[in-house]
Amino acid sequence: KAGVTQTPRYLIKTRGQQVTLSCSPISGHRSVSWYQQTPGQGLQFLFEYFSETQRNKGNFPGRFSGRQFSNSRSEMNVSTLELGDSALYLCASSWQGEHEQYFGPGTRLTVT
Amino acid sequence: KQEVTQIPAALSVPEGENLVLNCSFTDSAIYNLQWFRQDPGKGLTSLLLIQSSQREQTSGRLNASLDKSSGRSTLYIAASQPGDSATYLCAVRPGTGNQFYFGTGTSLTVIP
Repeated sequence: KAGVTQTPRYLIKTRGQQVTLSCSPISGHRSVSWYQQTPGQGLQFLFEYFSETQRNKGNFPGRFSGRQFSNSRSEMNVSTLELGDSALYLCASSWQGEHEQYFGPGTRLTVT
Repeated sequence: KQEVTQIPAALSVPEGENLVLNCSFTDSAIYNLQWFRQDPGKGLTSLLLIQSSQREQTSGRLNASLDKSSGRSTLYIAASQPGDSATYLCAVRPGTGNQFYFGTGTSLTVIP
């Protein structure tokens, strides 16, 4: 059974640009959550999607948005990038959201 | 808001030693708790999931316990090996909502 995949694995952008990250969950999983990991703040929850609907949202500005498609694949978009957005972005999938979560390898975003 | 603390922040032990990692949380109304390991620059690997109604879970050399009333969980690693070197994170899912609150992790080094 294939695990959670994230693309791209590494990304370098400049301030002011926008970026889209992709996450493909484990087959059959309907919940996808996104997290930001930085050395200073640790792992912070961004949002969760279930059956194409955003079900929970963390405390991040509106520049961070996401969506989920009918095949449960999810994308996360960050507009008007800032230096502080440099981080490892992780997505996690689970069957229903409250069950065991499985994480992808992450996308390392560097903003210069 | 749920706050999760992990002590110690770093731990160095000789190979073969048994060790205990600690996780404490402020709100005992949790749905479940999950332990992960993270290798440098990588995603999170699920180790054990404990439901709120359970007291412990075991997988191989790992044993995780949960004391909801006191807001504590421990991860016991038996006969540590150099391959166990990683950062260990605990994550708590509250009774409502589908996000995880993560601790800051314990960085474990097992010396050959």
